[in-house]
Amino acid sequence: AQSVTQPDIHITVSEGASLELRCNYSYGATPYLFWYVQSPGQGLQLLLKYFSGDTLVQGIKGFEAEFKRSQSSFNLRKPSVHWSDAAEYFCAVVNDYKLSFGAGTTVTVRA
Amino acid sequence: GAGVSQSPSNKVTEKGKDVELRCDPISGHTALYWYRQRLGQGLEFLIYFQGNSAPDKSGLPSDRFSAERTGESVSTLTIQRTQQEDSAVYLCASSPRTANYGYTFGSGTRLTVV
Repeated sequence: AQSVTQPDIHITVSEGASLELRCNYSYGATPYLFWYVQSPGQGLQLLLKYFSGDTLVQGIKGFEAEFKRSQSSFNLRKPSVHWSDAAEYFCAVVNDYKLSFGAGTTVTVRA
Repeated sequence: GAGVSQSPSNKVTEKGKDVELRCDPISGHTALYWYRQRLGQGLEFLIYFQGNSAPDKSGLPSDRFSAERTGESVSTLTIQRTQQEDSAVYLCASSPRTANYGYTFGSGTRLTVV
């Protein structure tokens, strides 16, 4: 079964600093990969997705992610975080007609 | 509709009672999914609908849980004889045809069993 792993449970970053969230996938062929964000008390919002083609994917809210087959990774980045980016972030992969989600990374932004 | 709508947004019920949670997907989305998110946890898959059939019910935790869907429209998740461990946020999502397109999630129903 296809799965993703998010190695970092919690990350704290200063406002204005860069952010990188890690996601590793386990799948032989090219996977369908996604990043979602869940703000406190909210549902999940799609940030970006990767199917094929250009390995650098641009998303909403200034986020981007890079697919690296050699490292089985799909890391999420943002050059300069804002206090509103404090949230939980989930990586996901298509697995048998549904999405399987990682355990999530909680991002805290300090002033 | 414009988005995925779930109702109620909050539900408090007594242990042993039955509850029904409703999901209204985006119009035209044939695929519908239910997930459970316990406090501080990730997303646990419950069931997948394609149209009104459920090819994958593998995530339903026990026979107290059931779900149905009317055509390509509303879905209802029913939990019978609720237990305290059923307390969680129940999230519904829909997709145009398959998960390859990604999901649009509803805001969830927060279920508290007291």
